[in-house]
Amino acid sequence: GENVEQHPSTLSVQEGDSAVIKCTYSDSASNYFPWYKQELGKGPQLIIDIRSNVGEKKDQRIAVTLNKTAKHFSLHITETQPEDSAVYFCAASKKAGSYQLTFGKGTKLSVIP
Amino acid sequence: GAVVSQHPSRVICKSGTSVKIECRSLDFQATTMFWYRQFPKKSLMLMATSNEGSKATYEQGVEKDKFLINHASLTLSTLTVTSAHPEDSSFYICSASRDYSGVNNQPQHFGDGTRLSIL
Repeated sequence: GENVEQHPSTLSVQEGDSAVIKCTYSDSASNYFPWYKQELGKGPQLIIDIRSNVGEKKDQRIAVTLNKTAKHFSLHITETQPEDSAVYFCAASKKAGSYQLTFGKGTKLSVIP
Repeated sequence: GAVVSQHPSRVICKSGTSVKIECRSLDFQATTMFWYRQFPKKSLMLMATSNEGSKATYEQGVEKDKFLINHASLTLSTLTVTSAHPEDSSFYICSASRDYSGVNNQPQHFGDGTRLSIL
């Protein structure tokens, strides 16, 4: 089955700096890669996703890159703000929606004011 | 956007009782819903896949008689933890997806979870 590795497990950045979280996956058939943000006591919130036919996707301060050959994808947050502090999870699946997601172990991001 | 509502948000009950958790898709029909369990500071662990009108598919190691899943309509799935014990205490989260076999894939959207505490 699919295995998703996520690094780092914790990340502290100064407000205004960039944050990068990296994930690798094992199943070359995976073609959908979402990123979720989870705040304390809440469910995960989808922040961005990318499909395998795209190498990069951007939404304001958030971007995701995908390297299918190397089987890794990354989340980039620029101009970080204290409200970006949360746990971020990457995931992979063979198809969005109906197929199960395999999650990374999460990265706790702390943005220091 | 797609909204998934989960109820209750928190429940505390005595050992031996059964607890039902509801997951509703508020603004879309969900043919597929997923139930996860999350331990403190850990990732999400998939428990089962719930398909409207058919039996749920459970992941290896998850007791189907312990965790009963009913997906009777396109907007509601329920998880019942039967004869709950302290080791069942956890954060349970559902997700819903509009897509089942369509061309235009849709992402999973999560509820806000249910904190279950068994005394």
